[in-house]
Amino acid sequence: GAGVSQTPSNKVTEKGKYVELRCDPISGHTALYWYRQSLGQGPEFLIYFQGTGAADDSGLPNDRFFAVRPEGSVSTLKIQRTERGDSAVYLCASSSTGSTGELFFGEGSRLTVL
Amino acid sequence: KQEVTQIPAALSVPEGENLVLNCSFTDSAIYNLQWFRQDPGKGLTSLLLIQSSQREQTSGRLNASLDKSSGRSTLYIAASQPGDSATYLCAASPGAYGNNRLAFGKGNQVVVIP
Repeated sequence: GAGVSQTPSNKVTEKGKYVELRCDPISGHTALYWYRQSLGQGPEFLIYFQGTGAADDSGLPNDRFFAVRPEGSVSTLKIQRTERGDSAVYLCASSSTGSTGELFFGEGSRLTVL
Repeated sequence: KQEVTQIPAALSVPEGENLVLNCSFTDSAIYNLQWFRQDPGKGLTSLLLIQSSQREQTSGRLNASLDKSSGRSTLYIAASQPGDSATYLCAASPGAYGNNRLAFGKGNQVVVIP
């Protein structure tokens, strides 16, 4: 597609459930990022992939959060045992030139944990 | 840890007036400084990217300046239009990592009154 695509756009789940959020970056972009944006806040960095590997996962808040990018294109953010505090918009971005290129963001996946 | 502050948090201006949005950051060792636009319920759109060696960038009615030594950036929007109504986010890229760990401010929420 022409832009970064994220699915689902909205996800409502119950506390304790497992959730997967998907990101399809711009074709050919090698760098992929996940950010989390809580209401009224700016986005916070979670994890950065260069190709298939996680180059920097220092922003993941705890071990309930995990992300993969097995073929160097689509990425999935996985959240185990969801908590109400995980409610936020999860934004994905991609870049063509690794860590220094312009970022292109998707519209986000809004996660609500009841 | 890089802290980014944006003032004012919200502002309303009549159509045709110039907009001045301020961003300050605590650590001057940045790789670049970026301004994004975010519409309600949408992702981020990159507006301007200023490399650390540059003083300003211009795109159409938008101009962004960077004063690294004082930890400040300003976004100017000339002759504002109702379509400029949005939240504007400033983000600093750490010097050691490029733009893979952007530190965002909370945003300037702008309303342009017709």
